[in-house]
Order: sequence, then structure tokens, then C-alpha cells
Amino acid sequence: EADIYQTPRYLVIGTGKKITLECSQTMGHDKMYWYQQDPGMELHLIHYSYGVNSTEKGDLSSESTVSRIRTEHFPLTLESARPSHTSQYLCASSATGTVDFGPGTRLTVT
Amino acid sequence: AQSVTQPDIHITVSEGASLELRCNYSYGATPYLFWYVQSPGQGLQLLLKYFSGDTLVQGIKGFEAEFKRSQSSFNLRKPSVHWSDAAEYFCAVGAEYGNKLVFGAGTILRVKS
Repeated sequence: EADIYQTPRYLVIGTGKKITLECSQTMGHDKMYWYQQDPGMELHLIHYSYGVNSTEKGDLSSESTVSRIRTEHFPLTLESARPSHTSQYLCASSATGTVDFGPGTRLTVT
Repeated sequence: AQSVTQPDIHITVSEGASLELRCNYSYGATPYLFWYVQSPGQGLQLLLKYFSGDTLVQGIKGFEAEFKRSQSSFNLRKPSVHWSDAAEYFCAVGAEYGNKLVFGAGTILRVKS
């Protein structure tokens, strides 16, 4: 059973607010990822990290930013939320082999 | 670049019937292939994976998948579907072991009693 935690699970927020989506894993995995998932669509990689102080943008352009100060923690920040950011955000991690996913954060920007 | 196609957006099967979900991938080298399942409001759970070796892989919940290099396919099968299998299923391909994954659009499975 993967131990990846995401908070909050659901968030409804107004346009222009700054938000941070939290992701933590207790497995000591070096690699962590953020995927964005719109309803009925595939998951798209928006950020990834191969270790502390390592972050890269994924295949889908995103206005969000990430940081990796500790191995277990990989938060995602939106400086100014917009309705176009409404989506589900899934955090994942891997060491070798399997990629494990957290439960996701469903974000709605009004 | 890798890509994954799941041709069926929705599939409905009767409980107890067999199931096959299709997945085709595009990748120049030997791919790492995965099937995940997602229940409403939940994250993704790994059903099975293929890295190398036997092309027929067994997973959890009675699922299996067969890697066919000549057809660039990795179809998911289950001999007898249960109502609890109703969910969305995603096929994914990775270029490196445990690395970034590219996902298909998913197939929503409905099970009728």
C-alpha cells in the first residue's frame, strides 16, 4: 500500500487567490511527480523532481510552481488561481519500477 | 515521443462476462507498460505492469494483460467481471524504469447486473 498524502482533498476558491496543494510521501522515494487530470481526459505530467532541490516542468505547460526542499514533501503552488486551473491534481512518487499515486486534490476556482 | 491510445471511451459488460480493454502505445524502444484503475474521487491504483520477460502478466483483482510487440498493444483482460470492477481504467507507458508516465485517455467500465 502506497503512503502518499495529499491535502486538501477538495478545494473551492475564488479567482486571484494563492493556493498551495500539499503532497507528502513516507517511502523515501527520490522521484516525485504532479499530474493534472481533467474529466474524461488523460493525465498530463506538469512537474517532476528527481530529488531534493531538483524540479523540472513536465509535458503540459502549467502556471503552477513546485519546490522540493525535503525528500518527502513536494508542494504545488498557484500564485493567482483562475477558473482555467479547475482540475484534479494527482501527486505521485517512485523509486524504481512502480509509480504510486496519492488520492488527488480536486480544485475548483470560481 | 511516447503516446498511448485507448480506443474505447466507455464499455458496458454484464456481471460474470469476460472483459478486454484495449491499449495501443507508440514508443521506439522497449516500453514499460502499466494499467491503473481509478474509482470516482480516488487516486490511481496499479493493477499490473510489464517491464520485461513473460509477455503475459498477472495483476491484482484477477486481471491480466498481454504485451504484443508486433501489434504495439497491451490489452487488459479479466475472465469474469464483478460489479465492483466498475471504474475507469488507464493504460500508461514509461520510457524508463519508474520514470515519467504517459497516459491514455482512459476507458470507463460499466457493469450491469
